[in-house]
Amino acid sequence: DARVTQTPRHKVTEMGQEVTMRCQPILGHNTVFWYRQTMMQGLELLAYFRNRAPLDDSGMPKDRFSAEMPDATLATLKIQPSEPRDSAVYFCASGLGQQTTFGSGTRLTVV
Amino acid sequence: QKEVEQDPGPLSVPEGAIVSLNCTYSNSAFQYFMWYRQYSRKGPELLMYTYSSGNKEDGRFTAQVDKSSKYISLFIRDSQPSDSATYLCAMSGPSGGSYIPTFGRGTSLIVHP
Repeated sequence: DARVTQTPRHKVTEMGQEVTMRCQPILGHNTVFWYRQTMMQGLELLAYFRNRAPLDDSGMPKDRFSAEMPDATLATLKIQPSEPRDSAVYFCASGLGQQTTFGSGTRLTVV
Repeated sequence: QKEVEQDPGPLSVPEGAIVSLNCTYSNSAFQYFMWYRQYSRKGPELLMYTYSSGNKEDGRFTAQVDKSSKYISLFIRDSQPSDSATYLCAMSGPSGGSYIPTFGRGTSLIVHP
């Protein structure tokens, strides 16, 4: 089965450090999403791309978060500088039509 | 008020029971309605989706959409311990040519033997 691959699976970092999360979407999917999941807020959309073009990143704190898609096989989400409130599970998902497939997530802990 | 409301539970049922999971929403532009299942420490996986109002059945799972009431349901028949997971509803409508899912917070389901 085709799947979305996310790395790393777990990341523990100190406050102020830069964090980069990577995602390999499913080949042929034209939309890529970044979501953040917390107990309090559930799944929140951070940003999404269609055909590699960024369409909406209004869900991200602009001063510290950035999302890019340098090519069709790689999407990145970067946090600089990281803060303890960024601790969450970050999911990448790719989709075609209504079929959206999620990766296994990156569990981020900022201490 | 969030666009999609879902009771977080937990919902605990005995094996074999019929389970009913529900969501309400406020955005009348939503056209597609999805149910995802998420096991602990995994990503959500799409169970099924429906377009507009009506019912859709897939094995032991039945999804219902009532757009007039802005209410959707997922029924699980003959529930099994392996169905224990968090179930998230999601909905989407046209937004600049894309359909972006908006999720409920999820309902935790526990099926005990």
